[in-house]
Formats: sequence, structure tokens, C-alpha cells
Amino acid sequence: GNSVTQMEGPVTLSEEAFLTINCTYTATGYPSLFWYVQYPGEGLQLLLKATKADDKGSNKGFEATYRKETTSFHLEKGSVQVSDSAVYFCALSEINQAGTALIFGKGTTLSVSS
Amino acid sequence: NAGVTQTPKFRILKIGQSMTLQCTQDMNHNYMYWYRQDPGMGLKLIYYSVGAGITDKGEVPNGYNVSRSTTEDFPLRLELAAPSQTSVYFCASSYSPATSYEQYFGPGTRLTVT
Repeated sequence: GNSVTQMEGPVTLSEEAFLTINCTYTATGYPSLFWYVQYPGEGLQLLLKATKADDKGSNKGFEATYRKETTSFHLEKGSVQVSDSAVYFCALSEINQAGTALIFGKGTTLSVSS
Repeated sequence: NAGVTQTPKFRILKIGQSMTLQCTQDMNHNYMYWYRQDPGMGLKLIYYSVGAGITDKGEVPNGYNVSRSTTEDFPLRLELAAPSQTSVYFCASSYSPATSYEQYFGPGTRLTVT
């Protein structure tokens, strides 16, 4: 079945450092790909998405490119801030018999210190 | 516009007790979902609904029940609580089953069964 694998955390960075969180997927067909972020004590919220190969999603300085040839959707940010500390989930959408389901990776915890 | 709301925020149950986790959305979304999030794991789909009166099982439905009598509400019922149901539960909703549409998440309910 479809699955998402993302790098193990935690990732600990200093403010203004470069961030990469790796995400690869296994899927039949052509799913949409998402990055969700979960701040402490809150629910998940969409950070960015890409719906087809070579699309680049971007938001709040974060970027990820849908790479079909490597089945990857790595999250990057050029200069992280303390406020970026959160758990990041990579996800893909699949069509099931009655709608759409999201398949999540296990999440990567990012901790940024000043 | 409150989005997706969940109650309670926290709950401790004894083994064998029952409870209902409440979920309400005010975005007029037809699609609603229940997920559980275990430590260090991604989210797993418990049940979903494509509209009032229609529900179906997700990946991990055992020990749970749902109902959908209105578009707004999607309660999750635990009949005989077990320690394995200790988790954080998230409700989500979506405008469309299309793979490109994001899901909106509530803040979660942290449940402990002892």
C-alpha cells in the first residue's frame, strides 16, 4: 500500500541555520503531497502542498518540490527561526472507495535555539 | 468562524469505561475524519464520513464507533476503554474528496486509559 517515510528526529538547529527534512513516498498513481506542521499543544495545519510532478509548494519561507523520479518531497528553509520549532509531518493523499485519505509519515520534531 | 472544535481537551478513563469525543465544524464541509496519533508515530485514520448519515471504517476502527446525524457534528464513541486506546485524537474536515484539497484539523483530545 501507499506509505510515507520521513527522517527521524529530533532535528536541533541554531537560529538562521538551513533546514532540510527528508521525505520519500511509495504510491500507486499520482497522489498530492503535503507538509503539515503541528505547534505544541495544537492540531495539525497545512504548511504547503504540491499536486503534480515538479510542482513546488511554498509558504512562510518553507519550500518543497514534488520529485516523481526520486519519489521525494523534501522540506527546506533557508533560515529557521525559534518560532519554527514544531513537529513536521509529510503526507500523501490517496483515493479510497469513498473519498480521500491522508497517509502520514511519523513526524519530525524540529527544535530551534537562539 | 471557529473551524474544527473538539471537546474535551483532556480525559482520563478507567479500563472498561465509555466516553464520546465530540467534534464540530462550521465550514459546511461534507467530509470528516477521525485520526489517532500515538507517540513517535504518524496519524492513523479511525473512521471517516462523506456526509450526514454515511460513515465508513478507516485503518484502525476496532474499539470505536461513529455517527453523523448532521453535517456539522461527527462524534467518536469508545464503548469499553482499553489501555491501547491511550492516544491523542484528532478530528478533521475537508471540503472535497479531491486529492488536492487540504484537511482542517481540530486541536485534539488527549485520552489516557488506566
